[in-house]
Amino acid sequence: KNEVEQSPQNLTAQEGEFITINCSYSVGISALHWLQQHPGGGIVSLFMLSSGKKKHGRLIATINIQEKHSSLHITASHPRDSAVYICAVIGMDSNYQLIWGAGTKLIIKP
Amino acid sequence: DTGVSQNPRHKITKRGQNVTFRCDPISEHNRLYWYRQTLGQGPEFLTYFQNEAQLEKSRLLSDRFSAERPKGSFSTLEIQRTEQGDSAMYLCASSYSPGQDLYFSYNSPLHFGNGTRLTVT
Repeated sequence: KNEVEQSPQNLTAQEGEFITINCSYSVGISALHWLQQHPGGGIVSLFMLSSGKKKHGRLIATINIQEKHSSLHITASHPRDSAVYICAVIGMDSNYQLIWGAGTKLIIKP
Repeated sequence: DTGVSQNPRHKITKRGQNVTFRCDPISEHNRLYWYRQTLGQGPEFLTYFQNEAQLEKSRLLSDRFSAERPKGSFSTLEIQRTEQGDSAMYLCASSYSPGQDLYFSYNSPLHFGNGTRLTVT
């Protein structure tokens, strides 16, 4: 069993739909990252969370430390949101060794 | 542009040649990380600097790989005697963390460069 699991692996939706991507982890963490990777490889850090909820534009990220679960939501999805979304955690005993989820490939159709 | 900059974007080399990549982090960031990503896989950690000190190096990194950050600003990653298995995307990231303690609890967001794609023929 992977230490960081994401679901779904693939998600196709219509423009405008509300999107939820889930991340569950089994290790103690000091922080959790949500990252976006576009075709061609560039990685963008969307959020870093250690508790609660963060919002940036149409993106919302939540984390429940007790349940070891985080969600990334996209409101009013748009084709330019199409990318791979990666959940990565920083273990309690390390602040450089990111433990990566497998990613969720999101396609938003116009 | 004040983001993390990596050069070159692409590098094609013949097996056995040496290659060097450069990463310019965000200027106020004291931490710099190198990762390697192969197709379909998540990035794997290679090495990490706090200022000019290389504090950790992955066991995955063979002796053919060396990284430096001589003045605590830009970093270089050199691969000697390249092999086809070295073909990958090499990613650099930087962050800021106050304090001297390696395990300081504050973690700033990681900022990634666009990567250098290496193809070894």
